[in-house]
Amino acid sequence: QVQLQESGPGLVKTSEPLSLTCAVSGDSITTYYWSWIRQSPGKGLEWIGYIDYSGATNYNPSLKSRVTMSVDTSKNQFSLKLSSVTAADTAVYYCARYVGPQQADNWFDPWGRGTLVTVSS
Amino acid sequence: QSVLTQPPSVSGAPGQRVTISCAGSSSNIGANYDVHWYQQLPGKAPKLLIYTNTNRPSGVPDRFSGSKSGTSASLAITGLQAEDEADYYCQSYDNRLSGLRVFGGGTKLTVL
Repeated sequence: QVQLQESGPGLVKTSEPLSLTCAVSGDSITTYYWSWIRQSPGKGLEWIGYIDYSGATNYNPSLKSRVTMSVDTSKNQFSLKLSSVTAADTAVYYCARYVGPQQADNWFDPWGRGTLVTVSS
Repeated sequence: QSVLTQPPSVSGAPGQRVTISCAGSSSNIGANYDVHWYQQLPGKAPKLLIYTNTNRPSGVPDRFSGSKSGTSASLAITGLQAEDEADYYCQSYDNRLSGLRVFGGGTKLTVL
């Protein structure tokens, strides 16, 4: 079955960039869209954005100025970079496949296990 | 403040039926965009529970059902079991701001 696994530093200093990678197995990254979602401690879910195999992206407008996503089809993985982080960016970051018949009405399935990123000075 | 509004908590005894509401507006659910539901067990990643308003993925018990009407949607759980204790989130699309995938704030289900 499809599995996703996030990886990256668990601690990032304030004002530095946060970089995460999601390795996909059981499906080709050339299908569907691939997304990042985060969850601040004790809080709800926030969609960050998604990317397709060609590198086309769609970002959350509230994060757009700081977000860059990329895809590596040779490694079947995609990545997130969030610049100029602050304590407010401390969260569990999930990667997920964004699947469905069209871009607007799609859903997230499956999800990776998530990785906690703490931002601290 | 979430674009989709859910009650912070609901509770029920084993065997009972509970519903979780998800209130939206004319730019998301009311604009006929689909609603999807996720279950997040304690310490785990969210898992797809209902997609496209009413559909259950393979392996999800038929005790879980979804519905949508107007600007809101609901998740119903019948025959409540202790293992259902979790956080539940609705998700849809909002057509403002160049398109936004939005989640509800989440509802904590407690099985008494």
